[in-house]
Amino acid sequence: AQSVAQPEDQVNVAEGNPLTVKCTYSVSGNPYLFWYVQYPNRGLQFLLKYITGDNLVKGSYGFEAEFNKSQTSFHLKKPSALVSDSALYFCAVRVNSGGGADGLTFGKGTHLIIQP
Amino acid sequence: NAGVMQNPRHLVRRRGQEARLRCSPMKGHSHVYWYRQLPEEGLKFMVYLQKENIIDESGMPKERFSAEFPKEGPSILRIQQVVRGDSAAYFCASSPLDRGSQPQHFGDGTRLSIL
Repeated sequence: AQSVAQPEDQVNVAEGNPLTVKCTYSVSGNPYLFWYVQYPNRGLQFLLKYITGDNLVKGSYGFEAEFNKSQTSFHLKKPSALVSDSALYFCAVRVNSGGGADGLTFGKGTHLIIQP
Repeated sequence: NAGVMQNPRHLVRRRGQEARLRCSPMKGHSHVYWYRQLPEEGLKFMVYLQKENIIDESGMPKERFSAEFPKEGPSILRIQQVVRGDSAAYFCASSPLDRGSQPQHFGDGTRLSIL
């Protein structure tokens, strides 16, 4: 069975500082990894994904994530945080079986709070 | 280009009633996924459907829950004889291809409250 861990319920960062939201995963096989953001009373918005290739993935709104196979991690990063980045962030995984798609397995989410 | 549309946004039911949640995928998307989000938890996969077929229902409760995606019209998640524990946000997602690398696009959800 696959699983995702987001060890921090909440991350507080001052505006303008770099931010990191942590994610580790467990799958049998090679993973597809995703980050989504959720604003209050809204659905999830796709930020970025890792499929294969370069370990550093760039996504929407200046976010990027680094895939580390040996540490089974996929941490979300941004060089300079904005107050508008405050939201709930989810990491998700799906097994790269070479076959068809199936449901995503999500972490519990991390509240990111950017302080002015 | 409309995104994934879910309705209603909010639904209130009394215990024992039926709840019907609707999802229209993005234009050109023929793969639909349903997830449930309990307070302070991540989303839990429930079911994956293509037109007229249930592909994976491994996350669906064995009783009272059913889903369909007919040839015409939206996908429906149906909960019969609702109980308080069914209170949650239910999200639908869609994708254009049957590929694991494809991101899923989410609707804004239906928040179900059981009195």
